[in-house]
Amino acid sequence: GENVEQHPSTLSVQEGDSAVIKCTYSDSASNYFPWYKQELGKGPQLIIDIRSNVGEKKDQRIAVTLNKTAKHFSLHITETQPEDSAVYFCAATPGNDQFYFGTGTSLTVIP
Amino acid sequence: NAGVTQTPKFRILKIGQSMTLQCTQDMNHNYMYWYRQDPGMGLKLIYYSVGAGITDKGEVPNGYNVSRSTTEDFPLRLELAAPSQTSVYFCASSEQGRLDEQYFGPGTRLTVT
Repeated sequence: GENVEQHPSTLSVQEGDSAVIKCTYSDSASNYFPWYKQELGKGPQLIIDIRSNVGEKKDQRIAVTLNKTAKHFSLHITETQPEDSAVYFCAATPGNDQFYFGTGTSLTVIP
Repeated sequence: NAGVTQTPKFRILKIGQSMTLQCTQDMNHNYMYWYRQDPGMGLKLIYYSVGAGITDKGEVPNGYNVSRSTTEDFPLRLELAAPSQTSVYFCASSEQGRLDEQYFGPGTRLTVT
């Protein structure tokens, strides 16, 4: 099956700085790459996603980039705010209906 | 819309006991999923369903069973609970499957002692 690796596992940034989280995947058939945010005690919630026919996607302060050749994709959060503090998960779906998640990044934004 | 609801929120089981985790969605989604989340391990897919009457195994199905008799409900059954099944369990649903957003429930925290 697919193997998704995510780095770093923890990340601390000052408020207003940028945060970058990186994921790699192993299955070249993967074609959908969502990012989920999980706040304490809650289920994950989708924040942005990208399909394999697109190299970059932006939504206000959040962007995702995809490099299919290198099999990696990244989440970029600019102008971070304390409410961005949470655990972030990347995921990939190969040619079946299964989702494979990374191990998560705990982001802390220091006011 | 309530979205995806899960019951119970918390449960403590003794080794060898059985239980059913309930999951219901009111969005008329065809796709439903069960994940377990262990500390530092991300989410692992246990079982999923692409529609009523159709289920399939995910990455970590051993020790679990599911059924999908209606579009709304997707219960997860644990038989002969073991300490290795101590985890947080999340149910999710989506409209179009693997190229679509998943909506997660609030989770069930299960401890097996």
